[in-house]
Amino acid sequence: KNQVEQSPQSLIILEGKNCTLQCNYTVSPFSNLRWYKQDTGRGPVSLTIMTFSENTKSNGRYTATLDADTKQSSLHITASQLSDSASYICVVSAGNYGGSQGNLIFGKGTKLSVKP
Amino acid sequence: GAGVSQTPSNKVTEKGKYVELRCDPISGHTALYWYRQSLGQGPEFLIYFQGTGAADDSGLPNDRFFAVRPEGSVSTLKIQRTERGDSAVYLCASSLYGQGSAYEQYFGPGTRLTVT
Repeated sequence: KNQVEQSPQSLIILEGKNCTLQCNYTVSPFSNLRWYKQDTGRGPVSLTIMTFSENTKSNGRYTATLDADTKQSSLHITASQLSDSASYICVVSAGNYGGSQGNLIFGKGTKLSVKP
Repeated sequence: GAGVSQTPSNKVTEKGKYVELRCDPISGHTALYWYRQSLGQGPEFLIYFQGTGAADDSGLPNDRFFAVRPEGSVSTLKIQRTERGDSAVYLCASSLYGQGSAYEQYFGPGTRLTVT
């Protein structure tokens, strides 16, 4: 069964600190992996998209890694800011298109709180 | 428009009533997606349009749910005989192309539906 598991479920850190969020998936065949940031009451906003051949991608203070062999991804946030407080959702796209919507499988998200 | 817009932002309705939720995608985007997000969960896929046609409606939970996109731009999600379990945030997203591509999905702010 295609699944995306994220950990931790929630995380509290102090402003200025770094943190790493984890994503494990059992999706086959794999097409791409995305990380989204979702502020409370807003729609998700894309941070990174990585295909099979990419193992790291950065977007400002956000760096995503992908290990397609172990089916793991991480999102590292450097020098956290109060505005980083949000849910971070890992989404994996399956490659069996066949008329489908690309089979996006969403994780439940990690709720990050950055405290001053 | 500058982004995906959804109306209304909030909708409160009584059990058994009919509701319509509207999505205005980014101009020129051929693919449009509807998701449902319950509290503390990631978005759950409902239906995907490529142009005017529903390419994948496998996520619609039952026949009370229906969506249309008659001119290939604006879409309406329709829910008949609403139940309390339908209460959730309904998210719409659009992308330039769909069906398994790595193109970005841009999300709207969502419509919060509450069934009393």
